[in-house]
Amino acid sequence: KQEVTQIPAALSVPEGENLVLNCSFTDSAIYNLQWFRQDPGKGLTSLLLIQSSQREQTSGRLNASLDKSSGRSTLYIAASQPGDSATYLCAVPPGGSYIPTFGRGTSLIVHP
Amino acid sequence: GAVVSQHPSWVICKSGTSVKIECRSLDFQATTMFWYRQFPKQSLMLMATSNEGSKATYEQGVEKDKFLINHASLTLSTLTVTSAHPEDSSFYICSARDSTGGPHEQYFGPGTRLTVT
Repeated sequence: KQEVTQIPAALSVPEGENLVLNCSFTDSAIYNLQWFRQDPGKGLTSLLLIQSSQREQTSGRLNASLDKSSGRSTLYIAASQPGDSATYLCAVPPGGSYIPTFGRGTSLIVHP
Repeated sequence: GAVVSQHPSWVICKSGTSVKIECRSLDFQATTMFWYRQFPKQSLMLMATSNEGSKATYEQGVEKDKFLINHASLTLSTLTVTSAHPEDSSFYICSARDSTGGPHEQYFGPGTRLTVT
């Protein structure tokens, strides 16, 4: 069984700040780890997928790192903007599976 | 990228009636689709894994006779909530995995908001 914990649960920052969202998981024998964004009342948008053999992935202002041995991943958001306001979910499958277990998310508010 | 659609996007029904939700992969084939539910301010909880041409696999605690899943084609899975009750009100999200393989990425639909009155 995989347990996924995200810290902090909520974050409110002024525009322009660099942010770090944390995700930890208990079963490190994973195939991959994925970060999603969810806007209120909406479905999920995939942000980054990191394979178990990779250490990090980058997309624009987003950078996700993976440390399997310690069971941790971080999502780094550079130069945050009000449009980044959303809930960010970390999803990690247990070892031997590709079906992800989701964390409870970090609710981010970036105010102008 | 791969697109998954859901229909309807929201539905309101009376207690005791049944509601069907469709999940379609628009530009790829998916032998496996997944159904999740999400309560307010909670994370996604996997309800069942839908396999094309075979019976769905339900997670512990999910009633298979209440949540009927049919995966009749490589691009369509349906979830029917039978005899719905107010406690079934939730946000239902499906996802699909591209059958051609790759990095096991799942593509998520936009969700369906079900309200049972």
